[in-house]
Amino acid sequence: GQQVMQIPQYQHVQEGEDFTTYCNSSTTLSNIQWYKQRPGGHPVFLIQLVKSGEVKKQKRLTFQFGEAKKNSSLHITATQTTDVGTYFCALNHGNQFYFGTGTSLTVIP
Amino acid sequence: NAGVTQTPKFRILKIGQSMTLQCTQDMNHNYMYWYRQDPGMGLKLIYYSVGAGITDKGEVPNGYNVSRSTTEDFPLRLELAAPSQTSVYFCASSSGLAGPVGNEQFFGPGTRLTVL
Repeated sequence: GQQVMQIPQYQHVQEGEDFTTYCNSSTTLSNIQWYKQRPGGHPVFLIQLVKSGEVKKQKRLTFQFGEAKKNSSLHITATQTTDVGTYFCALNHGNQFYFGTGTSLTVIP
Repeated sequence: NAGVTQTPKFRILKIGQSMTLQCTQDMNHNYMYWYRQDPGMGLKLIYYSVGAGITDKGEVPNGYNVSRSTTEDFPLRLELAAPSQTSVYFCASSSGLAGPVGNEQFFGPGTRLTVL
């Protein structure tokens, strides 16, 4: 199956600090999705990136798709306690989806 | 709309028992998926369906079976439960349409299964 590397596995930040998680694939991707899962909850769709070099923003969240379409990043500016959770990237190959192992974000008030 | 619903929320099975995890969506989505999530890990695709009557294996199908007799329902069957099947199971659906938001997956709340 597809290999999706996601780093870091864990990140602890002080509230107000920035946070970034990276997703890397060995193959060129058609698109990539990002999901957030709160502790004890289910994954919730955040965004899908399709175009090479694409950058999309959602309030304090910035999503980027690499020029070669092999990597992606999610950056959160000035984290808040509501940002706590695990962030997953997901790619699809045909009709199948492959999720990264996720980055667990802890925000210290 | 209730979205994607799953039952039960929790279940404890003994080794060798069988059970069916139920999943229903009311969004008229063609695509449905079953995932398992082990502690601290990402989601692994077990089975998926692109429409009623059509199912296919995902990354980790061994020990599971599915059926899709209607658009709304996509039950997952565990035969001869084993401790390795202890996990949280998520059902998801998507419209499957082409376009920027066509592949958004909507997840159910999950079923936490323990096999002892």
